[in-house]
Amino acid sequence: GAGVSQSPSNKVTEKGKDVELRCDPISGHTALYWYRQSLGQGLEFLIYFQGNSAPDKSGLPSDRFSAERTGGSVSTLTIQRTQQEDSAVYLCASSLAETGVSTEAFFGQGTRLTVV
Amino acid sequence: GNSVTQMEGPVTLSEEAFLTINCTYTATGYPSLFWYVQYPGEGLQLLLKATKADDKGSNKGFEATYRKETTSFHLEKGSVQVSDSAVYFCALNAGGTSYGKLTFGQGTILTVHP
Repeated sequence: GAGVSQSPSNKVTEKGKDVELRCDPISGHTALYWYRQSLGQGLEFLIYFQGNSAPDKSGLPSDRFSAERTGGSVSTLTIQRTQQEDSAVYLCASSLAETGVSTEAFFGQGTRLTVV
Repeated sequence: GNSVTQMEGPVTLSEEAFLTINCTYTATGYPSLFWYVQYPGEGLQLLLKATKADDKGSNKGFEATYRKETTSFHLEKGSVQVSDSAVYFCALNAGGTSYGKLTFGQGTILTVHP
């Protein structure tokens, strides 16, 4: 597609339920990132995939959070046993390749998650 | 670790006023620096970037110069428009072991009145 696509755009879930958020990166982009945007916390890095390398999971806030990327393309972020503090906008981004330190990332519109 | 500090907002200006949004950073090595913008109802978009000291990034009338001596990347525009109303994020990519990750500032809300 023309840009990074995320689904759903909005998700309301009950506390304790599991949720899955999907990201379709720009075709051909080898790097994929998940970020979280919440009030008072700004934009936080969660996880980063680059090609076939092991993902950088250093930003995941707890073991309830996990992500996978199938076939080097689509990625799913899973949050288990959701808590109210997980409410945020989850952003996905992709970039063409590792091109040195100048890495332009293109962002999706995000998924707004509300845990009630 | 790496960090980015932006001036706190919100910033409210009249049309045609001069804009400065301050951004300073802490990073090891030689990071690349970025300004991203988020217009109401839209996703984050790259506004401009600079990859080495003394580089000036520019786009849509906005400019920012990479100042290594002051570890700063302040965003400026000489004459803002109502359509510039948005949230602006300063960010860095430190490369090295944090290759590909962006560290963002808190964001600055800009509102421009006619």
